[in-house]
Amino acid sequence: QKEVEQDPGPLSVPEGAIVSLNCTYSNSAFQYFMWYRQYSRKGPELLMYTYSSGNKEDGRFTAQVDKSSKYISLFIRDSQPSDSATYLCAMSAAGEGRLAFGKGNQVVVIP
Amino acid sequence: GAVVSQHPSRVICKSGTSVKIECRSLDFQATTMFWYRQFPKKSLMLMATSNEGSKATYEQGVEKDKFLINHASLTLSTLTVTSAHPEDSSFYICSAREGNTGELFFGEGSRLTVL
Repeated sequence: QKEVEQDPGPLSVPEGAIVSLNCTYSNSAFQYFMWYRQYSRKGPELLMYTYSSGNKEDGRFTAQVDKSSKYISLFIRDSQPSDSATYLCAMSAAGEGRLAFGKGNQVVVIP
Repeated sequence: GAVVSQHPSRVICKSGTSVKIECRSLDFQATTMFWYRQFPKKSLMLMATSNEGSKATYEQGVEKDKFLINHASLTLSTLTVTSAHPEDSSFYICSAREGNTGELFFGEGSRLTVL
C-alpha cells in the first residue's frame, strides 16, 4: 500500500462550482498536511498548510484533516478558470524532512 | 510568503557534459533543502535531502556520484548533474524548509534537456 493515495483524475467542473479533492494515507505518524497547486511547467506552490486535525480556511480554499480516518480534503469554492491546475497533497511526520506526495489531481474549470 | 529561487529555469546541454542548478532561499535561512525530480504527469520524486554544512542524504536508487549536491550556505544549495545523458532529461525542483513554521516552499523548477 502506498503511503499517500490520491485519485489523479482529471476532474472537470463548470466555473463557480465547488471543487472537492481528497487524499488518504496510511502512516499514522503524519502530522503536517499540505496542499500544493502546480500549473503546467511550473514548480508547486504551497496553498494550504495544516498541523494535525481540523479545518483551515483561506479565502475560497478550505482544508480539512481527519486523522482518525487518515483522510484529508481540499475544497475550492466559486471555482475560477485560473484554478485549473494540478493539486498535490503532501504530508510529513514531525521532525522529518521528507514529504510523502500524492500523485496529484488535475482540475479543469470550464468557463 | 517566503520565496525560493531556482536557476536556470531551462537548460539544454549535450550528452556527456555537466549541468549545475542553483536553489536559493531569498528571504529566509534554510538549514534543509530538498531536491526532487518530476517526470511528465507524475508526482514529485524526492532525490536527496541537502543539509547545510554536511553531506546530502540520497534516496534509494539515486546515484550520488551522478547527482552532486552541495549546500554551502544557509541560502544556497546546488545540484550538479554530471556526465548528463538523455535519460537525465527531466524537471528538477528544489524546496526549502522555513525554520520557524516548518513550511516547505518550492522553487520554480528547472527543465533539463540532454541532447
